[in-house]
Amino acid sequence: RKEVEQDPGPFNVPEGATVAFNCTYSNSASQSFFWYRQDCRKEPKLLMSVYSSGNEDGRFTAQLNRASQYISLLIRDSKLSDSATYLCVVRSNFGNEKLTFGTGTRLTIIP
Amino acid sequence: NAGVTQTPKFRILKIGQSMTLQCTQDMNHNYMYWYRQDPGMGLKLIYYSVGAGITDKGEVPNGYNVSRSTTEDFPLRLELAAPSQTSVYFCASSYEGRVEQFFGPGTRLTVL
Repeated sequence: RKEVEQDPGPFNVPEGATVAFNCTYSNSASQSFFWYRQDCRKEPKLLMSVYSSGNEDGRFTAQLNRASQYISLLIRDSKLSDSATYLCVVRSNFGNEKLTFGTGTRLTIIP
Repeated sequence: NAGVTQTPKFRILKIGQSMTLQCTQDMNHNYMYWYRQDPGMGLKLIYYSVGAGITDKGEVPNGYNVSRSTTEDFPLRLELAAPSQTSVYFCASSYEGRVEQFFGPGTRLTVL
């Protein structure tokens, strides 16, 4: 089983819609969770960290379910500029900054 | 600040050739990393460094070498290029104790 698994998509969503994707992780000792965004042929950039209590940043909401070992990302009122690949990232060893990246979920927002 | 810079942006190598991918950061980060990203795959950690003079293997180190003589620079060396090393290579850095990694723009390498 992969350490971090994501549905690769693609998700094709009309502008203004709400879209959500999940990511599952296999190591129950995982400590930290993140969503990174990667535009086509560009480097990954941190979108948001995921906290146990859930967190929101504008139109983006991230949630963590430790019992089921999954992380979710919700995007409301999607914009054309949200088109990108979203990478689920997990850090397993506390104090160790090595990250494990999922393969990414590709999102295309359609006008 | 330029952040993390990588050179070259693109390179084509023949099998058996060697080359060095350069990475420099101007954020005074202690931690630096090299990843490779193959199509449809997640980023795989090749090597990382927690400070000048200290390096360690990641998930896929075979065929690569690194050095870290200064805080700013973390070059990645390919000694005998193989087609399996065709990939996009990203260098990244982070503060000690901080979790956000800042990535360079990548080097697209093709080995023929």
